[in-house]
Amino acid sequence: DTGVSQNPRHKITKRGQNVTFRCDPISEHNRLYWYRQTLGQGPEFLTYFQNEAQLEKSRLLSDRFSAERPKGSFSTLEIQRTEQGDSAMYLCASSLVIAEAFFGQGTRLTVV
Amino acid sequence: AQKVTQAQTEISVVEKEDVTLDCVYETRDTTYYLFWYKQPPSGELVFLIRRNSFDEQNEISGRYSWNFQKSTSSFNFTITASQVVDSAVYFCALSERGANSKLTFGKGITLSVRP
Repeated sequence: DTGVSQNPRHKITKRGQNVTFRCDPISEHNRLYWYRQTLGQGPEFLTYFQNEAQLEKSRLLSDRFSAERPKGSFSTLEIQRTEQGDSAMYLCASSLVIAEAFFGQGTRLTVV
Repeated sequence: AQKVTQAQTEISVVEKEDVTLDCVYETRDTTYYLFWYKQPPSGELVFLIRRNSFDEQNEISGRYSWNFQKSTSSFNFTITASQVVDSAVYFCALSERGANSKLTFGKGITLSVRP
């Protein structure tokens, strides 16, 4: 499978716990994006990497959220001290050329 | 600021009917890109098409066609002879030049095709 891979697919956590998601982009894609999608809404941009550099963070991304992309390969998104409002689908996408992004299947987070 | 409006929320058709999904966008940029993505129940967003702001030529791909009109800031998507497998949520999205290629999505249109 050469598509974008996200793990885990589902995560249930208790409020206040930390969670980490992983995204493996399509190889050779130098751009990697994280989006969040809540029920009935379109995906919302969270952050963006070009290679290992994080170039933009949305105002949606509170201080509890941190993303990394070491060595410009896979990326991780960590949420600290989760809140119920963090429950959503977290989508990762990668692209090679400007703006044409390919998405993974997402990680569905449920905070109880 | 860029914005995408998909006024239709849910559409239900019978198989073999044609259906058009509307998309209206707002941007101050003169160079931008428009997209349609399909999200089946499995959840993965599937890329369908990209158009840039300088190319208003309509495009047809099999049963799918897209009508881009800058004068009305619209980028509508038509499915001809719909099939049950077309049932999904369809998103229109916009990316401005210089916006690091991030996508601004509409809220999506849920299409149900009944046999």
